[in-house]
Amino acid sequence: DSGVTQTPKHLITATGQRVTLRCSPRSGDLSVYWYQQSLDQGLQFLIQYYNGEERAKGNILERFSAQQFPDLHSELNLSSLELGDSALYFCASSASGKGGGYTFGSGTRLTVV
Amino acid sequence: SQELEQSPQSLIVQEGKNLTINCTSSKTLYGLYWYKQKYGEGLIFLMMLQKGGEEKSHEKITAKLDEKKQQSSLHITASQPSHAGIYLCGAAGGKLIFGQGTTLQVKP
Repeated sequence: DSGVTQTPKHLITATGQRVTLRCSPRSGDLSVYWYQQSLDQGLQFLIQYYNGEERAKGNILERFSAQQFPDLHSELNLSSLELGDSALYFCASSASGKGGGYTFGSGTRLTVV
Repeated sequence: SQELEQSPQSLIVQEGKNLTINCTSSKTLYGLYWYKQKYGEGLIFLMMLQKGGEEKSHEKITAKLDEKKQQSSLHITASQPSHAGIYLCGAAGGKLIFGQGTTLQVKP
C-alpha cells in the first residue's frame, strides 16, 4: 500500500455519461497530481493541485475538471465521456508543490462503452 | 515544454543477461525519477537522481544521471523474470513528466 488511495478501482460507463474519480493523498502530502495512461499516449499529466489551489495544468480536456478539498482529497470529474477516454487514471501525491518525491496510487481503470 | 525520450521502446532479453535503458531529456534535468510498472497496475518507485554524475543502486538495478548530456540510464545486471515490466523515467520540476516507457520482457 503506497498510502495514496484511489477509488473506484474499475469503472464501466456509457458514452455521454459523467463519472467522478477520487483520490486520497498520502498523509501529510499537500500536492495531488492526476495522470491519464492510455496505450497510444503513454502517461500524460493532466493537472496538479497544491493545498486546494490549482498549481499546474497539462493536457486536460475541457470536458474534464478537478478539485482538491479542504481535507486534501481530490476528485477528477470526466463528463460527456467518449470511447477514447477509456484509460487508466492515476493520482500521485507529494509533500510540496515542487516534487521531492511522488507517490502513486494504484489507479482507476475507466472503460467507456 | 520538456520532453523525455526513452530507448529502446521494447526489449526482450534472456534471463541472466545485462541490459540498459536510456532516457534523454530535451531540457536540463533537475531531477530524474525511475519507476517500474506491471501492465495495468500502479507505478513502483525505483530511484530518484538529483545531481549530475549521481549514481544509485538497488539490488541489481543501477541508475545514473548525466546532467551535461541531459540523460539518465538504468542498468539491470543478471536480469530475472521478476524484472519484467514497463520502466518509466520522469523529469521532476513541479509536475512529473514521463517518457513513453520501455517494455522489458525477460525470457527464462
